[in-house]
Amino acid sequence: DAGVIQSPRHEVTEMGQEVTLRCKPISGHNSLFWYRQTMMRGLELLIYFNNNVPIDDSGMPEDRFSAKMPNASFSTLKIQPSEPRDSAVYFCASTFGVSGAGYEQYFGPGTRLTVT
Amino acid sequence: AQSVTQPDIHITVSEGASLELRCNYSYGATPYLFWYVQSPGQGLQLLLKYFSGDTLVQGIKGFEAEFKRSQSSFNLRKPSVHWSDAAEYFCAVNTNAGKSTFGDGTTLTVKP
Repeated sequence: DAGVIQSPRHEVTEMGQEVTLRCKPISGHNSLFWYRQTMMRGLELLIYFNNNVPIDDSGMPEDRFSAKMPNASFSTLKIQPSEPRDSAVYFCASTFGVSGAGYEQYFGPGTRLTVT
Repeated sequence: AQSVTQPDIHITVSEGASLELRCNYSYGATPYLFWYVQSPGQGLQLLLKYFSGDTLVQGIKGFEAEFKRSQSSFNLRKPSVHWSDAAEYFCAVNTNAGKSTFGDGTTLTVKP
């Protein structure tokens, strides 16, 4: 298996522009997570999906952030409009999510976002 | 609510020395516990996990961890550290639907 695939790996954009990050989870996994990592705030869970349905989006910082999972093999995280404080590494992770079970998460390589 | 505490933000050890990274958790039910490692510029990778049974679990790269229910701890150990072990280490506990609560991480520096 190719693992979790994220694109792009690097993104540099100007403040105010729309940014779309993409993720392809591991085939067969039914839970998908979006994280943001910065030096100041560490690793933060933004949102997670189970069976393509958003379960918890309490970590999404503002309305500028939105996430979708139209099918089991694809998810997007969109920031519109982007701001310099959104600069971070964004990780996507997937797992086989069953309540009460203990499957590890598989992380993608991340997208390094720089907003100037 | 579940939580994970890693008391040490940064640890420095000499190459060849032993290592112990601390992790304490708070969770009402039987925990599923994990240690992940993150090398610079990469995503998190699983080192080892505990579900049940033997409280001493072995992982990749020569790491092991011991689950102590009485102390709510799951400390990571390695008898002899290599320079390539320099990285950030995260402890995590699982909850519903595969969601994990992560600690804040411990950065390991290895001195030559």
